[in-house]
Amino acid sequence: SYELTQPPSVSVSPGQTARITCSGDALPKQYAYWYQQKPGQAPVLVIYKDSERPSGIPERFSGSSSGTTVTLTISGVQAEDEADYYCQSADSSGTPNWVFGGGTKLTVL
Amino acid sequence: QVQLVESGGGVVQPGGSLRLSCAASGFTFSSYGMHWVRQAPGKGLEWVAFIRYDGSNKYYADSVKGRFTISRDNSKNTLYLQMNSLRAEDTAVYYCAKEAAYCGGDCFGVWGQGTLVTVSS
Repeated sequence: SYELTQPPSVSVSPGQTARITCSGDALPKQYAYWYQQKPGQAPVLVIYKDSERPSGIPERFSGSSSGTTVTLTISGVQAEDEADYYCQSADSSGTPNWVFGGGTKLTVL
Repeated sequence: QVQLVESGGGVVQPGGSLRLSCAASGFTFSSYGMHWVRQAPGKGLEWVAFIRYDGSNKYYADSVKGRFTISRDNSKNTLYLQMNSLRAEDTAVYYCAKEAAYCGGDCFGVWGQGTLVTVSS
């Protein structure tokens, strides 16, 4: 089955750059998407198609892709960015299936 | 603005049934595929089911196949999830989510606030 792997946690000081990775064998063929989820809230899409930013998402959020790994980068991290981040992709090799990574807790020190 | 409001969650005994609803507003509901995604307490996100804009195709995660049924009523702008033979491991917050056109249907553009389902005796 299709799996996406994320580190459980990433820590960064305010103003620094946070990088969260997501690995999966199908990522060279499928786009990745990133969601931010704050405690008690629904997820919010912050990056689509590997590197595109929906309207309303701050420019400090960016995405990139290289081989089987995609990366969410948050430049100039702010306290409000502390949240869980999930990568997601769609497996269309057979019956359609939408897959999430296990999530990464971003802590702003 | 686009809004999704889930309802129908609650406490149910193992083996029981529950039907969730998701009321949509602020967009042309009949033009978009819709999903259910769940999140067990303290755990990550798990995709549950998808239905095409016209209800012609439905897909399910293996963990719920044969027990859950997704449906929609485009005349009422409402999405449903009928959950039967519920198990303790189905305990979760259930979110409905709208596909995003700019993702080619592969991502979740808007989410509801979620409704909690607890399966316990």
